[in-house]
Amino acid sequence: GAGVSQSPSNKVTEKGKDVELRCDPISGHTALYWYRQSLGQGLEFLIYFQGNSAPDKSGLPSDRFSAERTGGSVSTLTIQRTQQEDSAVYLCASSLALEQYFGPGTRLTVT
Amino acid sequence: AQTVTQSQPEMSVQEAETVTLSCTYDTSENNYYLFWYKQPPSRQMILVIRQEAYKQQNATENRFSVNFQKAAKSFSLKISDSQLGDTAMYFCAFMKQYAGGTSYGKLTFGQGTILTVHP
Repeated sequence: GAGVSQSPSNKVTEKGKDVELRCDPISGHTALYWYRQSLGQGLEFLIYFQGNSAPDKSGLPSDRFSAERTGGSVSTLTIQRTQQEDSAVYLCASSLALEQYFGPGTRLTVT
Repeated sequence: AQTVTQSQPEMSVQEAETVTLSCTYDTSENNYYLFWYKQPPSRQMILVIRQEAYKQQNATENRFSVNFQKAAKSFSLKISDSQLGDTAMYFCAFMKQYAGGTSYGKLTFGQGTILTVHP
């Protein structure tokens, strides 16, 4: 079956612009996660959604970052007023149980 | 808070040989899960193996096995009969077990070890 998909695969934006990153989880998976992978910080958790529960936003680095999950499926991660330090690969994962299945990521470059 | 440490930034091994990747972690939790994920150049993270902390028996998956030492907070990965396709970055990860034994939760990752398998 189809895995987790993310779009775009690469995004270049100018400092100060807003960006939206999209994640399509595996159908039927109730949990959805966002992680960020950067050279300086490694792989770090950002936010996760589980069913109808309030999302765990404890990993969001600033209030410029937000995410939503519509209809329990697709999720969008929004970064407002992008900064150069936001340059990273943003990974999405979904799960039905213990194993998290990852997408290929979106490489964001802020110039 | 949990921390995961991988002290080997890079490792290399000859094809068909055995290699061990190290991982240590720090936590005050008693119930948790540990994972090894593989990230090849394609960026797609793939689960290699997992270990439940309450299980004393070490997990194995074909050529992959772990040495889980709960008291020492150590979780190493052994790859036997290394293959060229094993070339990737390997991440050790920790997940706390939440109330009710739920299987959902954030992963805390180590810094990763780049493994290169030479022909």
